[in-house]
Amino acid sequence: NAGVTQTPKFQVLKTGQSMTLQCAQDMNHEYMSWYRQDPGMGLRLIHYSVGAGITDQGEVPNGYNVSRSTTEDFPLRLLSAAPSQTSVYFCASSWTGSNTGELFFGEGSRLTVL
Amino acid sequence: AQSVTQLDSQVPVFEEAPVELRCNYSSSVSVYLFWYVQYPNQGLQLLLKYLSGSTLVKGINGFEAEFNKSQTSFHLRKPSVHISDTAEYFCAVQDFGNEKLTFGTGTRLTIIP
Repeated sequence: NAGVTQTPKFQVLKTGQSMTLQCAQDMNHEYMSWYRQDPGMGLRLIHYSVGAGITDQGEVPNGYNVSRSTTEDFPLRLLSAAPSQTSVYFCASSWTGSNTGELFFGEGSRLTVL
Repeated sequence: AQSVTQLDSQVPVFEEAPVELRCNYSSSVSVYLFWYVQYPNQGLQLLLKYLSGSTLVKGINGFEAEFNKSQTSFHLRKPSVHISDTAEYFCAVQDFGNEKLTFGTGTRLTIIP
């Protein structure tokens, strides 16, 4: 049972470099989201999507882009990495029909920007 | 907009003692409430949820939580903790009709042998 798969698990970037964090789910979930986790700040929503072709901003979207071309995939792009983006990133997905909000999380991607 | 406050960032508890982790929320509409647990170096997993009905909700690993609408609280309890309960616990709220979850800042539960 794959669930939500994130790659890479660890990444080190230099300031100004770009990269994409990959997220894939095999549960046919309509809703997918990206959170960042920082000490003392809990999880903050970056971007989310309620279906293929539909994305929207969360609480902290600046510096990040997303797209949703398929139901399964929801990549997060950093166009020009900054040290403030050093964090642990989590992708999460859920069904939308029942609207119960139970999220299924990936194992996280730890990003360090030097 | 919804918000969640977890009043304690760290809670140390002796093994086999009871524990309560506090959570208060703010919202202008009806809500769903959740507790998630994060074990070291892992993602979050659902512990329990309140959607409607009975205000006392039971979850996995012997945890339970009580929804108190008048106090806008959803405190998590366990009568006797074990070493394996060492983790970070997050309270979360979702407004009716809104897909987004808002998380609290987390409470780190440390079990003392």
